[in-house]
Amino acid sequence: GAGVSQSPSNKVTEKGKDVELRCDPISGHTALYWYRQSLGQGLEFLIYFQGNSAPDKSGLPSDRFSAERTGGSVSTLTIQRTQQEDSAVYLCASSSGLAGPRPDTQYFGPGTRLTVL
Amino acid sequence: KQEVTQIPAALSVPEGENLVLNCSFTDSAIYNLQWFRQDPGKGLTSLLLIQSSQREQTSGRLNASLDKSSGRSTLYIAASQPGDSATYLCAAPGGDYKLSFGAGTTVTVRA
Repeated sequence: GAGVSQSPSNKVTEKGKDVELRCDPISGHTALYWYRQSLGQGLEFLIYFQGNSAPDKSGLPSDRFSAERTGGSVSTLTIQRTQQEDSAVYLCASSSGLAGPRPDTQYFGPGTRLTVL
Repeated sequence: KQEVTQIPAALSVPEGENLVLNCSFTDSAIYNLQWFRQDPGKGLTSLLLIQSSQREQTSGRLNASLDKSSGRSTLYIAASQPGDSATYLCAAPGGDYKLSFGAGTTVTVRA
């Protein structure tokens, strides 16, 4: 595709509900990243995929957060039993992955703004 | 753990003035450093990526320098325009694959 796309662009949910956020990376990019941008917290790394594998999940804030990637393409970030502190913009990025484990240029999507009431 | 700091937090200049944005990082064993631009309510746009072997990288009116030994990078924007108003983020690798971001410098260019 032309760029990284994310859906939905905005999501308002009630506390305790589950939400799914979707990311479509640039076609052919093997590396995919999720970040969270909160007011006052800046941008924090959540998880990285190389293909369908996530070598490091330690950035996920709690066990209510999970992510998967299928077919080496689309990724879904799931937040179970949402809390108000989960309100943030969730950004997805992809890169070619040609540099191996080294971070090469990351291209970001527009983000999903999550509001938990 | 990689810590990235950006100074100043905000900058307001008249159109035409050159901009200087500073970024410092604590772990100098980096492969590269990346500068991004973020417009309000939008995602991040990659501006420049400097490899550790490079001292600087240029794209149009943008020039970024990298001094690994001192843990610093500077983004220069020449002849600023109102369209340059945005938040500029510096990101350094905080491990093999993750980026650690600074808090950003919010730039306002007054017409």
